[in-house]
Amino acid sequence: DGGITQSPKYLFRKEGQNVTLSCEQNLNHDAMYWYRQDPGQGLRLIYYSQIVNDFQKGDIAEGYSVSREKKESFPLTVTSAQKNPTAFYLCASSILPQGIYGYTFGSGTRLTVV
Amino acid sequence: QQQVKQSPQSLIVQKGGISIINCAYENTAFDYFPWYQQFPGKGPALLIAIRPDVSEKKEGRFTISFNKSAKQFSLHIMDSQPGDSATYFCAAKETSGSRLTFGEGTQLTVNP
Repeated sequence: DGGITQSPKYLFRKEGQNVTLSCEQNLNHDAMYWYRQDPGQGLRLIYYSQIVNDFQKGDIAEGYSVSREKKESFPLTVTSAQKNPTAFYLCASSILPQGIYGYTFGSGTRLTVV
Repeated sequence: QQQVKQSPQSLIVQKGGISIINCAYENTAFDYFPWYQQFPGKGPALLIAIRPDVSEKKEGRFTISFNKSAKQFSLHIMDSQPGDSATYFCAAKETSGSRLTFGEGTQLTVNP
């Protein structure tokens, strides 16, 4: 079945550590996105990529980094510079142009700082 | 930064009632307005979407009403069911790109 796989489902990070969240899609979608979800704040865009080896900052990119070496993969690294990383992270993908199909989301990774 | 404002933050409806969630946007450079449904611990899933050249779109019990002049759009859930209990997000896509800007979300509870 086609879809987006995010791993791990739960992740615990110690203070000062970098952690990487995985996002893989087999939908042959061109664009991929990372959103952060906090209670009462909706979904906020961290980074997005419309083509391999290219990506753009979203609204809250500070403390995060990404890479897009393959069309299917868009990993997100949460660095120690991110002061409040505890959140639910969602990866999504879409065709381009997006048309009527919207985004397909993964099931998310819940990151907790311990 | 373009914004989409969503209300109410939470909504409780009795089974069989109508659930109404409202969104407003500030920028006219949006050309696609989807609604997403999210269950706890899951990613959002596309529910229904509309383009600004139509005023209403209906799919089953779900209807989007769009008012271009007021820059507002709303989701109506008719005959609400307990299985509709979820968080709903409105969103808007920029004309020039592919990124979506989301509202803050509405937690809907439908009581049996």
